Amino acid sequence: NAGVTQTPKFRILKIGQSMTLQCAQDMNHNYMYWYRQDPGMGLKLIYYSVGAGITDKGEVPNGYNVSRSTTEDFPLRLELAAPSQTSVYFCASSKRGGSNEQFFGPGTRLTVL
Amino acid sequence: AQTVTQSQPEMSVQEAETVTLSCTYDTSESDYYLFWYKQPPSRQMILVIRQEAYKQQNATENRFSVNFQKAAKSFSLKISDSQLGDAAMYFCAYRTSQGGSEKLVFGKGTKLTVNP
Repeated sequence: NAGVTQTPKFRILKIGQSMTLQCAQDMNHNYMYWYRQDPGMGLKLIYYSVGAGITDKGEVPNGYNVSRSTTEDFPLRLELAAPSQTSVYFCASSKRGGSNEQFFGPGTRLTVL
Repeated sequence: AQTVTQSQPEMSVQEAETVTLSCTYDTSESDYYLFWYKQPPSRQMILVIRQEAYKQQNATENRFSVNFQKAAKSFSLKISDSQLGDAAMYFCAYRTSQGGSEKLVFGKGTKLTVNP
């Protein structure tokens, strides 16, 4: 199993550009998440999904959009990139059930200039 | 809303010694889950240990153990026989047992340095 994969690993955007961060998992997990990690901070939840076709906002959703058309994929869309979106983005997935581990992807470092 | 506080931004330990990282949390729930994640310089988030709130027995995983004090809402991580590979950021996280997102709420992390 590849686990949780994310592409790209690094990206530099200009202000106002848009892009999609890709996330895929091959563990047949229902739950998927997008977090962002700012320097010196813990991870904050952007969006999550409890299954294909179902998504909901987390703590910091402004400036982002998501979709979940399949169990495996959970892309994160940035529209009109702003410097405040400079961060490291992590995708994660888990089985349903609070004690279950969330498995994280390797992260995408995004810089908006 | 639940919050997680890690009051030690940085800690250091000598190789082979023991270190304890602190974590407190705020919640009105009685049933929940707590986790410690390790983030080495590679950025990969790795689960270290987990604790179910309904279990009174403290979780252990090899050299890692927790001191879970439910009434005090405290969840500290003890690393015994520290190794150079333990150097990393450590994050404490809370997860609700209520149906819905089952999201994790993270503390700001503690940077652990292991001195040879």
